[in-house]
Parts: sequence; structure tokens; C-alpha cells
Amino acid sequence: DIQMTQSPPSLSASVGDRVTITCRASQDINNYLAWFQQKPGKAPKSLIYAVSSLHIGVPSRFSGSGSGTDFTLTIRSLQPEDFATYYCQHYNNYPPTFGQGTKVEIK
Amino acid sequence: EVQLVESGGDMVQPGRSLRLSCAALGFRFSSFEMIWVRQAPGKGLEWVSYISDTGATVHYADSVKDRFTISRDNARNSLFLYMNNLRAGDTAVYYCARVRAPWVGPDYWGQGTLVTVSS
Repeated sequence: DIQMTQSPPSLSASVGDRVTITCRASQDINNYLAWFQQKPGKAPKSLIYAVSSLHIGVPSRFSGSGSGTDFTLTIRSLQPEDFATYYCQHYNNYPPTFGQGTKVEIK
Repeated sequence: EVQLVESGGDMVQPGRSLRLSCAALGFRFSSFEMIWVRQAPGKGLEWVSYISDTGATVHYADSVKDRFTISRDNARNSLFLYMNNLRAGDTAVYYCARVRAPWVGPDYWGQGTLVTVSS
């Protein structure tokens, strides 16, 4: 199985900050990489697919980049509603594994 | 509006069975692949199972293989997860999600249904 490793596990940031979360795959995943946002007690929300494509309705302050095994989620100017846990997932083959999550907290 | 509504979650004893359902609304259900993902209390997301649009192809996580069965009824716009021989480790919120396309992955998620396995 492909292992997905996110870092950091958590971070503290202020409104307006630029935030970067990284995700590393244990092997090449052919850019089949997605990002999800989850708030406490809520279902995940799909943000990004294929490394850098935003799902409909996702604000443009979210962006994704990377290739091969190393990927990044960037939030350009953190907003109050962005405080949540973020997960990466590969869907290159089965099983499509998730990273362990990065919790973005208010500083 | 796309909606996915899970149901069937309950508290059951180890070794018992349970069937989860996911009702799909607002889109042509028969055209989309579907998945189940679960989340144990305080833990991260774990992919559980996949089913193709016709139901002909399925995949399972090793942790549930031979115990769980995914199926769908396209005439009734419904997805199912049959869970047998439940264990304490299966305790989680179970989410169904629509796969927009194989190169996109999941786009819409249900609100989840809680399964608790405890004696």
C-alpha cells in the first residue's frame, strides 16, 4: 500500500497568514492527489483534485501544487472559516490511502 | 442539489451484523462510482470500499475484506454496506461519497452515520 505522510500534524496561525501543508507519498502517485477539509463533527469537504484543480465553489485562496511524491496545499490568506483539519489522499490505485491529517488552529 | 443521506448506524455487539444505506438525491446515481469512508472517534479518515457505476467492480480495504460487502440498487438510487462479524475496531462514523470521475476522486459526501461496536 502507498503511505501518505502529512506535515506538520498541527499548526497555529492567524487570520491573514499564508499556510502551507505538505504531503509525501511513499511512491509516485501519477498526480492522483486530492485534498479535503474537515471541521469538527462535520463530513469532509472536497477541496482539490489532481494536485491543483479546485472543486466547484472552493475559494481561490486555496491552491495545490507538486508532482511525483511531494505535494503542497497552500491557503493564501487564512480566513476564520478555514480553521479545520486537512487531509491529503492518493487515488492512484487501491487502497486509496489518506494522510494522517493536519489540524490548523487559531494562534 | 446533490445530496447523500446515510442511515442504519447503530450500537451493536461484537460479532453481529449491520447494514448501512446511502440515499442519493439530485444526480443520476447510476452514472457515478461510489465509496465508503470511515472515521474512528478522534482519528483520521480511512477508505473502506468502492463500487463501480454498474456494481460490477468492487474493492475493499484489507481491514474489512471478507466481512463487509458493498452493493448498490441503481433503480432505487441507493448504496449499501453490509457489515458482518463486527469488531470493536469497526466503531466509526461511516460516510458515503460520490466519485465524480476516476481521475477526480470523491466530490460530494454524506453527513455520516455512527456505528458503535461494544459489548
